Amino acid sequence: KQEVTQIPAALSVPEGENLVLNCSFTDSAIYNLQWFRQDPGKGLTSLLLIQSSQREQTSGRLNASLDKSSGRSTLYIAASQPGDSATYLCAAYDTTSGTYKYIFGTGTRLKVLA
Amino acid sequence: DTEVTQTPKHLVMGMTNKKSLKCEQHMGHRAMYWYKQKAKKPPELMFVYSYEKLSINESVPSRFSPECPNSSLLNLHLHALQPEDSALYLCASSQEGVGLAGAVGYNEQFFGPGTRLTVL
Repeated sequence: KQEVTQIPAALSVPEGENLVLNCSFTDSAIYNLQWFRQDPGKGLTSLLLIQSSQREQTSGRLNASLDKSSGRSTLYIAASQPGDSATYLCAAYDTTSGTYKYIFGTGTRLKVLA
Repeated sequence: DTEVTQTPKHLVMGMTNKKSLKCEQHMGHRAMYWYKQKAKKPPELMFVYSYEKLSINESVPSRFSPECPNSSLLNLHLHALQPEDSALYLCASSQEGVGLAGAVGYNEQFFGPGTRLTVL
């Protein structure tokens, strides 16, 4: 059964720092991996989608990488800002169960201090 | 239009009430999802509709009843809920049909803002 975990669970950094959020999955048979941010009590905002054939995607200050063989994806945030404070979730599009569906990670709660 | 809308934003209901949540998208997406999210937890998949057919039901209790009247609209009918069903209910959509083996494609998920449900 596919399991997706994120480390660390919570992170507090001063403004301006570059930081890395980690997402691990137990089975490499994923079709793609998507990163989201979620503000408290709100829906999820899509940040980046990496297809299984890709190794990374970039959008502005965000860069996400995917290494299926090691079961890892990382989200790199450059020059962090207080507005980046949110919970970051990864979701792996799992193909191991016979039906295709997204499995969400446990999330990283990020606080960027001004 | 890259938006998924959900109504109502908030809902308070008693355990004997019947209510419905509504989700709408006009992106031409053919897969729509319902998720349940408890505080400080990741979303849990409840149902997937693919090309207006139910393709995944994650063993959700029958007091939750999904409906997909057309390709743009997804409803979740609620009846005889329990207080533990209080949560944020999220709707999402993606371009391709998903759920059944072989039905894959570029399927970035787009989420609505959610309905905050409280069951008294």
